[in-house]
Amino acid sequence: DAGVIQSPRHEVTEMGQEVTLRCKPISGHNSLFWYRQTMMRGLELLIYFNNNVPIDDSGMPEDRFSAKMPNASFSTLKIQPSEPRDSAVYFCASSDPTRLGETQYFGPGTRLLVL
Amino acid sequence: GEDVEQSLFLSVREGDSSVINCTYTDSSSTYLYWYKQEPGAGLQLLTYIFSNMDMKQDQRLTVLLNKKDKHLSLRIADTQTGDSAIYFCAELTWGNTPLVFGKGTRLSVIA
Repeated sequence: DAGVIQSPRHEVTEMGQEVTLRCKPISGHNSLFWYRQTMMRGLELLIYFNNNVPIDDSGMPEDRFSAKMPNASFSTLKIQPSEPRDSAVYFCASSDPTRLGETQYFGPGTRLLVL
Repeated sequence: GEDVEQSLFLSVREGDSSVINCTYTDSSSTYLYWYKQEPGAGLQLLTYIFSNMDMKQDQRLTVLLNKKDKHLSLRIADTQTGDSAIYFCAELTWGNTPLVFGKGTRLSVIA
């Protein structure tokens, strides 16, 4: 299996621009998670989906952030408009909650820099 | 709510043993995990332990669980420079996705 795939791996943009991060979960996994990691705040859960349905988005910082999962093999996290404080590494992870241990597998991350 | 606490930094000499500690608050925790994050990479699962176990060993890694004190530790024997990374403790309560992560312990191995 290719693991969780994220694109792009790096993104540099200017304040005010729209940013779209993409994730392909591991095939057969029906839970998908978006995290943000910064030095100051550590690893934060933004939102997670189960069977393509958003379950908990309480970690989404504000209305500028939105996430979708149109099908079982694809999810997007969009920031519009972006701000310098959004600079972070964004991770996508997937898991199969029906399996013992419900281990989450992480993608390599998207490193976002907003200037 | 659930909380997972870890010390932020640990420094050890190459060849020594490293012990990374973690405490959690949810007594209903079903599984407890250790993840490793190398520089510039995502989190990689190292090992996990079910709550009815008190020890799990896998090559150089030993996980100890004290359920009474809600304390989890990861021991790395014969620590190597390649073990330098951030180690995250996480807990899961069955039926209560998702994982709750600690802030991570940065392990530095001195040659």
